[in-house]
Amino acid sequence: EDQVTQSPEALRLQEGESSSLNCSYTVSGLRGLFWYRQDPGKGPEFLFTLYSAGEEKEKERLKATLTKKESFLHITAPKPEDSATYLCAVQDNTGKLIFGQGTTLQVKP
Amino acid sequence: SAVISQKPSRDICQRGTSLTIQCQVDSQVTMMFWYRQQPGQSLTLIATANQGSEATYESGFVIDKFPISRPNLTFSTLTVSNMSPEDSSIYLCSVDRQYNEQFFGPGTRLTVL
Repeated sequence: EDQVTQSPEALRLQEGESSSLNCSYTVSGLRGLFWYRQDPGKGPEFLFTLYSAGEEKEKERLKATLTKKESFLHITAPKPEDSATYLCAVQDNTGKLIFGQGTTLQVKP
Repeated sequence: SAVISQKPSRDICQRGTSLTIQCQVDSQVTMMFWYRQQPGQSLTLIATANQGSEATYESGFVIDKFPISRPNLTFSTLTVSNMSPEDSSIYLCSVDRQYNEQFFGPGTRLTVL
């Protein structure tokens, strides 16, 4: 069965304190691994898609990496405005997205 | 990216009634998806809606409860029928654009009393 597990469930950081979020997955026929950011009361905002092991993508303070079994979202020197829930999802060969439970990040000034 | 709008943004409904949620996209797309996000939970796919064919429902979701229309390549509706408090959720539509990127609408927050 396709499954996505994110850890930790919640993460509190001080401003400037770098860290990583983990997304481990099992899926048959991976088409891509997606990272989204979701603010309270809003729809998920697309961040990255990774397609193959070894791939990396960056956007501002965020960097996503992918292996055959997991993905990491690295946050470098975070700011309070980075506080949000970060969702990981894998896309199977039908186009369907299977989401993890998310990691809620709080960055304190 | 894609500009996706949903109506209504939120609603409070009585048990036993139905609500139709609209999703409008700023350009033509082949695949549209409807998701549910229950309080404190992640997103669960309800169904995939392709223009010109019947929607494909995921396990645990049925057409009688969640009928979907897809009249053209920029629009879809999801109806939540015979609602109960357990249907209180955020309902989200998404579209699949180039490079397999999926973009989401802002969501419809439904509360059933």
